[in-house]
Amino acid sequence: EVQLVESGGGLVQPGGSLRLSCAVSGFTSRNYWMTWVRQAPRKGLEWVANMNEDGSEKNYVDSVKGRFTISRDNAKNSLFLRMTSLRAEDTAVYYCARYRVVGTPHGGMDVWGQGTTVTVSS
Amino acid sequence: DIVMTQSPLSLPVTPGEPASISCRSSQSLLHSNGNNYLDWYLQKPGQSPQLLISLGSDRASGVPDRFSGSGSGTDFTLKISRVEAEDVGVYYCMQVLHSPQTFGQGTKLEI
Repeated sequence: EVQLVESGGGLVQPGGSLRLSCAVSGFTSRNYWMTWVRQAPRKGLEWVANMNEDGSEKNYVDSVKGRFTISRDNAKNSLFLRMTSLRAEDTAVYYCARYRVVGTPHGGMDVWGQGTTVTVSS
Repeated sequence: DIVMTQSPLSLPVTPGEPASISCRSSQSLLHSNGNNYLDWYLQKPGQSPQLLISLGSDRASGVPDRFSGSGSGTDFTLKISRVEAEDVGVYYCMQVLHSPQTFGQGTKLEI
């Protein structure tokens, strides 16, 4: 079964750090672009970052540039999001997702995890 | 950044009736290869988002044919030919032509 499972969320103080993980199963992650999308409480979806197959291309939304780092370990079929200097506005459910078409970030995100919750509060 | 604007933001519907959601982008999403880089997602209550339509009009695997996407350039539409109870949730359009990729505000479909 094709599946993504996020972990690593939790409660962190402003200015703190967290590392989210996304475990991939049922497909070979090294063939696909992958992405992180977040959803603040009672808000809409916000794209956060994506990465190509070998990690040589990474893109971020402006609000997280310099604070968040997307990475992957294809040998372990895993995706990560390192978050530093966290702010209250980073509080959200964070989803990892797969882009459907091999080799491109276009064509839709067809596999999503269940999400992991990050709460930034003192 | 490309701004995506959906309307309406709330859509009350009656089962069996059609429904339509509009999505406009602040820049053209038409690529030189002829594809429109516009996707549609549905987030049912308590669930992760699911892909409905990619490239403006391509239905994703397993999506019922009552869902259709149309449009080109800056104006796009998601249509449901006959709404069913299971279609409730929030619908989002998303542009994937330029980074940062951006979502619309979402349209809440209610029965």
